[in-house]
Amino acid sequence: DTAVSQTPKYLVTQMGNDKSIKCEQNLGHDTMYWYKQDSKKFLKIMFSYNNKELIINETVPNRFSPKSPDKAHLNLHINSLELGDSAVYFCASSQFRGLAPETQYFGPGTRLLVL
Amino acid sequence: DQQVKQNSPSLSVQEGRISILNCDYTNSMFDYFLWYKKYPAEGPTFLISISSIKDKNEDGRFTVFLNKSAKHLSLHIVPSQPGDSAVYFCAASYSGSARQLTFGSGTQLTVLP
Repeated sequence: DTAVSQTPKYLVTQMGNDKSIKCEQNLGHDTMYWYKQDSKKFLKIMFSYNNKELIINETVPNRFSPKSPDKAHLNLHINSLELGDSAVYFCASSQFRGLAPETQYFGPGTRLLVL
Repeated sequence: DQQVKQNSPSLSVQEGRISILNCDYTNSMFDYFLWYKKYPAEGPTFLISISSIKDKNEDGRFTVFLNKSAKHLSLHIVPSQPGDSAVYFCAASYSGSARQLTFGSGTQLTVLP
């Protein structure tokens, strides 16, 4: 029973293509995130959704569009893929607690390689 | 501008000894700190956290120390085991940032048998 799952695990595609990555969590959390781990291994927030509403949108090209059909799912669609999009993308989830600290739980990652 | 820094990219420790991983931060608004452990080809796994109202939190072999005046935290693992070999990420958040996590660059810990 994987708490946060992502599909696919690996994605190899050509420049210019459009691709989607799916994320699902079964923890009952109401907040979900997308992170990008670049070649320097930094994990950086891209988006965050709370109850299907966008609450964090960092400086990310508008070729990246997150979609949250319900609280348990947050998908990432990428248009016109570029070489620099090659990275590992992690989904995470947490339970929003207002001002109180919360712990995020991560999926296994999707390794995207753009050729 | 790295707000969370892990200056040691790697650390090797003998099995049974103590591992100390360090993390520095610059943003004084951070009030919650977490350590994640990551094995190759897996996602980060939550390990331990500490709120800024505390200076120490312990969970089994893992202890996190927070020195707010120095803006420094450390993770102690004792005794270290070969299965602890992984990349350890320090992360921080604060309420004004919608609790988004800011990560350090990670430290590769290798525990030698």
